Amino acid sequence: EVQLVQSGAEVKKPGESLRISCKGSGYSFTTYWISWARQKPGKGLEWMGRIDPSDSYTNYSPSFQGHISISDDKSIGTAYLQWSSLQASDTAIYYCARHTPKGDHDYDDYWGQGTLVIVSS
Amino acid sequence: SSELTQDPAVSVALGQTVRITCQGDSLRSSYASWYQQKPGQAPVLVFYGQNNRPSGIPDRFSASNSGNTASLTITGAQAEDEADYYCNSRDSSGYHLNRVFGGGTKLTVL
Repeated sequence: EVQLVQSGAEVKKPGESLRISCKGSGYSFTTYWISWARQKPGKGLEWMGRIDPSDSYTNYSPSFQGHISISDDKSIGTAYLQWSSLQASDTAIYYCARHTPKGDHDYDDYWGQGTLVIVSS
Repeated sequence: SSELTQDPAVSVALGQTVRITCQGDSLRSSYASWYQQKPGQAPVLVFYGQNNRPSGIPDRFSASNSGNTASLTITGAQAEDEADYYCNSRDSSGYHLNRVFGGGTKLTVL
């Protein structure tokens, strides 16, 4: 059974750093990309970026470029989303998803349960 | 970045057919994937590509494309279809490897 299991909720202060994780199981981790999406309270999904675990190639939405970092550790089948300096506006639920790049019809077929990040002083 | 535009809210009577649309320039050259999200839950893929419905998704869900518009159709809407629906496709603004979500459509089943 394919599963993506994300790390637990976090409460942080502005300026602090954070890394959340997404562990894939039930499939070959390096065969599929991992994408990340943000959902602020009561708002829609926002695409943040993705990583190809076969070579750790990443691409980021311009809206998030420079503020986040996506990485992976293929030895343990885990992808990460990281901030070096959180802002209150980063308060949101973050989802990872198994991503299949198909050129003109990409899709995300399995999703993690989401990680709630609260940034408050 | 590229935008995908969805109607914020749509309603349908129980058992009737509803179409949820997604407009954007990138849809002229790529297909949308569609996601259903119920309150407090992670999104679920309900349709992708030209004609692909994931295993476990009822066949009342279908999709089509015309010009710059992608559509998700629910034929015979059920109460459990009440949810937010999001389209996703390629960013056409020059960041060709990037993706973008539509703003989402809240579907109410009356």
